[in-house]
Amino acid sequence: NAGVTQTPKFQVLKTGQSMTLQCAQDMNHNSMYWYRQDPGMGLRLIYYSASEGTTDKGEVPNGYNVSRLNKREFSLRLESAAPSQTSVYFCASSELAPGELFFGEGSRLTVL
Amino acid sequence: GIQVEQSPPDLILQEGANSTLRCNFSDSVNNLQWFHQNPWGQLINLFYIPSGTKQNGRLSATTVATERYSLLYISSSQTTDSGVYFCASEDNAGNMLTFGGGTRLMVKP
Repeated sequence: NAGVTQTPKFQVLKTGQSMTLQCAQDMNHNSMYWYRQDPGMGLRLIYYSASEGTTDKGEVPNGYNVSRLNKREFSLRLESAAPSQTSVYFCASSELAPGELFFGEGSRLTVL
Repeated sequence: GIQVEQSPPDLILQEGANSTLRCNFSDSVNNLQWFHQNPWGQLINLFYIPSGTKQNGRLSATTVATERYSLLYISSSQTTDSGVYFCASEDNAGNMLTFGGGTRLMVKP
């Protein structure tokens, strides 16, 4: 079972470049999330989508945009990357929001 | 939003030892969950435990929502238990899960 799949796993960007992190889940979950994890810290919610067609800001949304493409897919876009966005990004899903979370393997992003 | 405090921040155990990890919350808890992040960074959901006690093999968890805390017990620890343990909870306002800062566990052979 694939569960939650994120791509890419690793990415290096220069300041000002843009990129999109992709996330897909095959558990037929309604809700999807993007978190970031910085060294020595817990996870902080960037954006979430409680159901297809809706998105809401989390704790740290500045500098990011999201798209809930369909029930399976939820993407995170950095329009103009900054060094402060260097982090590990995790996508997660749950049957309902909030609910029992299942995480992807993470995407390590470095902004130079 | 809710504040989540985990203790201890770091823990070193000899293989076979038992341990208790604690989460304290600033407000009443909902949808409390425990996660393990292994040394490769993968996050695994251990328990979904809004209240009461659950057990899964050598691990068990207890949540006392009215007293705003949860405990994770690890018995007969193994080196594969190493990693970081996070708890997370929703608050009564229905806000999404807030994570604690984690307990970093190292189990030595």
